[in-house]
Amino acid sequence: DAKTTQPNSMESNEEEPVHLPCNHSTISGTDYIHWYRQLPSQGPEYVIHGLTSNVNNRMASLAIAEDRKSSTLILHRATLRDAAVYYCIPFENSGGSNYKLTFGKGTLLTVNP
Amino acid sequence: DTEVTQTPKHLVMGMTNKKSLKCEQHMGHRAMYWYKQKAKKPPELMFVYSYEKLSINESVPSRFSPECPNSSLLNLHLHALQPEDSALYLCASSQARGSGYTFGSGTRLTVV
Repeated sequence: DAKTTQPNSMESNEEEPVHLPCNHSTISGTDYIHWYRQLPSQGPEYVIHGLTSNVNNRMASLAIAEDRKSSTLILHRATLRDAAVYYCIPFENSGGSNYKLTFGKGTLLTVNP
Repeated sequence: DTEVTQTPKHLVMGMTNKKSLKCEQHMGHRAMYWYKQKAKKPPELMFVYSYEKLSINESVPSRFSPECPNSSLLNLHLHALQPEDSALYLCASSQARGSGYTFGSGTRLTVV
């Protein structure tokens, strides 16, 4: 399994952009990069995923380095509701029946009003 | 329906009890998962079901017994648990070639 390195914690102010980094230097060529977040007292929530190109959706943007050894999740305007643990997960999306999502320690994001 | 529903939300059980956790989804997802999460730790995978067949068991003790009666339901039967099994139990589902997992809110289990 590819290993990831994320900061234990980060802090942001409300309505400012947040850049959450992740290093995944051992990622394989076929692994997608998935991001999930977990708000207090809730189950994890899918945020975004990508393979090589930068990706945008209504929740966030994902910037993937050209060598794929790192990626950055971008929240364009943080709100108090974005305070959560953010997990970066290399994930084989081959369509086979035996793939699994393995969580690392993640980054605890605090948003200040 | 874009949710995974878990019941009960909270459960307290004695070490000699038998109980079951239930998970339901109606998104047509063909893969379903059980995770265990201890306080301030990341979720840990327990079981994976694919097309209603058990495909991964992460060396989980036999006091945890999963069951997938049909493509929408996933159960976790509990028997003779220990206090250290107290945790948040999360269910998730995904398409077999899915772009992401959908998680339920979990069952908070306390073993006394």
